Amino acid sequence: GQQLNQSPQSMFIQEGEDVSMNCTSSSIFNTWLWYKQDPGEGPVLLIALYKAGELTSNGRLTAQFGITRKDSFLNISASIPSDVGIYFCAGQKPQGGSEKLVFGKGTKLTVNP
Amino acid sequence: DAGVIQSPRHEVTEMGQEVTLRCKPISGHNSLFWYRQTMMRGLELLIYFNNNVPIDDSGMPEDRFSAKMPNASFSTLKIQPSEPRDSAVYFCASSWTSVNEQFFGPGTRLTVL
Repeated sequence: GQQLNQSPQSMFIQEGEDVSMNCTSSSIFNTWLWYKQDPGEGPVLLIALYKAGELTSNGRLTAQFGITRKDSFLNISASIPSDVGIYFCAGQKPQGGSEKLVFGKGTKLTVNP
Repeated sequence: DAGVIQSPRHEVTEMGQEVTLRCKPISGHNSLFWYRQTMMRGLELLIYFNNNVPIDDSGMPEDRFSAKMPNASFSTLKIQPSEPRDSAVYFCASSWTSVNEQFFGPGTRLTVL
């Protein structure tokens, strides 16, 4: 099925550094969501984006809905050890009434203290 | 408020046995989603319900898988007979139809020996 191209697959950074990850698709999406998954837990919603060009922040996290509606990025500023986890993007295509989300494969973030 | 509740959290069974996974969505949500997560394939949507009615089951792997939602507060995913390749983490998520934000449960880790 349709997949989002999420990059990078993994990141190893030092505490205090900023992080940037993104998702791209050949298809248009009308919603972008960013989730974080800790080991042994379910994905937790971080940010939801509903409008092309929208820039939304949640604490140290900032996400943007690309103007073309085919991409989105997530930035984390001043990373801390608890930011460790797998970050997923998810998009919803404009398919008349369907609530299905398409997920990226995830970006695994490791933060070295 | 309680989030999405799933049981059991872990299930170990032998090939050929029937497995039943359970989910209680967030109160007031009217859409419910079953996902499977593996290292190879990431998060895959199996089936989703809206107002207790199955809307899209195109992700259900084969006839061995079935899902029901007898009322707004309970859903089951059944695998009969189970096979080793069914080993994965199964997530349930819920949402309110007019809002695309899905909230995930903690998952059930299934191991089929």
